[in-house]
Amino acid sequence: ILNVEQSPQSLHVQEGDSTNFTCSFPSSNFYALHWYRWETAKSPEALFVMTLNGDEKKKGRISATLNTKEGYSYLYIKGSQPEDSATYLCAFIEYGNKLVFGAGTILRVKS
Amino acid sequence: DTGVSQNPRHKITKRGQNVTFRCDPISEHNRLYWYRQTLGQGPEFLTYFQNEAQLEKSRLLSDRFSAERPKGSFSTLEIQRTEQGDSAMYLCASSLGTGFSYNEQFFGPGTRLTVL
Repeated sequence: ILNVEQSPQSLHVQEGDSTNFTCSFPSSNFYALHWYRWETAKSPEALFVMTLNGDEKKKGRISATLNTKEGYSYLYIKGSQPEDSATYLCAFIEYGNKLVFGAGTILRVKS
Repeated sequence: DTGVSQNPRHKITKRGQNVTFRCDPISEHNRLYWYRQTLGQGPEFLTYFQNEAQLEKSRLLSDRFSAERPKGSFSTLEIQRTEQGDSAMYLCASSLGTGFSYNEQFFGPGTRLTVL
């Protein structure tokens, strides 16, 4: 059974703080890893799909890194804003299509 | 809006009743997925279709659950004789792909089911 772990479970930060979350996944049979942002009452929104060891991707103030050999990915948010408040999910992609999700990190940014 | 849509957004039902949810994927997407998220957990895979064929079902999908995608477009997920443990967010996603290639899955906003 695949196990995808995310930490921390929740995070409360002040506006302007930088923060990071961790996603751990099985290092064998790696295919791809997905990061999603999920705001309340909205659809989960794709942030990054990461496939290669050492990948670094960036979208605005958000960036992610991938280490497939040791089985982890980090998501960084620089200068957090209240609109960054959401649940951040990572999902391990099994060969083919099925997404195996972690439980998510809930981020709350106070202004 | 050309994204994935789901109806209804919320459903409250009494234990023992049947419920049906609908998912309309992005129109050109041939793959459609159902996931379920319970409190404190990440979404869990239930089943997926390629066109009208149901290609995989999770062990989570008991006999009370049935999913269809009759014309390869929209899909329905029916739960018969609902139980309180069925209370969850039911998410639908769609993607475009063939064979074993991975293509990004686009999610709908979900249907939140509460079984009283």
